[in-house]
Amino acid sequence: GENVEQHPSTLSVQEGDSAVIKCTYSDSASNYFPWYKQELGKRPQLIIDIRSNVGEKKDQRIAVTLNKTAKHFSLHITETQPEDSAVYFCAATLYNFNKFYFGSGTKLNVKP
Amino acid sequence: GAVVSQHPSWVICKSGTSVKIECRSLDFQATTMFWYRQFPKQSLMLMATSNEGSKATYEQGVEKDKFLINHASLTLSTLTVTSAHPEDSSFYICSASQELGFAGELFFGEGSRLTVL
Repeated sequence: GENVEQHPSTLSVQEGDSAVIKCTYSDSASNYFPWYKQELGKRPQLIIDIRSNVGEKKDQRIAVTLNKTAKHFSLHITETQPEDSAVYFCAATLYNFNKFYFGSGTKLNVKP
Repeated sequence: GAVVSQHPSWVICKSGTSVKIECRSLDFQATTMFWYRQFPKQSLMLMATSNEGSKATYEQGVEKDKFLINHASLTLSTLTVTSAHPEDSSFYICSASQELGFAGELFFGEGSRLTVL
């Protein structure tokens, strides 16, 4: 199956700073890359996703970039706020298949 | 978004007993559901894909006789941890997608925390 690696495992930033989380994947056939946010004690929720036919996608303070050649994609959060503190997971899968393989997660701590 | 409900949210059992966890899609039909296991401070590890009306497909290294999956209807999948042991203690979480045939948002249940004494 797909192997997804995620870095860093923990990230601490000051409120207002930017945060970047990076993931790499192994299967060049993967073409759908979602990012999930999991707050403590809660279920993971989708925050943004990108398909392989685009290189970048933005949604307010959140953006995702994809480099198909290098097989890596990144999550960018600008103007971080304390409520952004959570664990973030990247995932990869085939567009026509729902089997998601998740990265190891990044615990983001935004200090007020 | 779609709602996936999981029950129970937590369960404590004695070693050697079996525990059943239910996963329901409340407002949509899910021909496929996925079961994940999450260890403390670790990622979501895909255990198996639950297919309505057919056998589940298990990921490499997951014992199918240990983790029995039944997907009896389009809205219900169950995971039974048989002859549970302390090492089976973990957070089990199911998920489902509304999309058929292509990847889309995965909706997660609340998760079930299993503690085996």
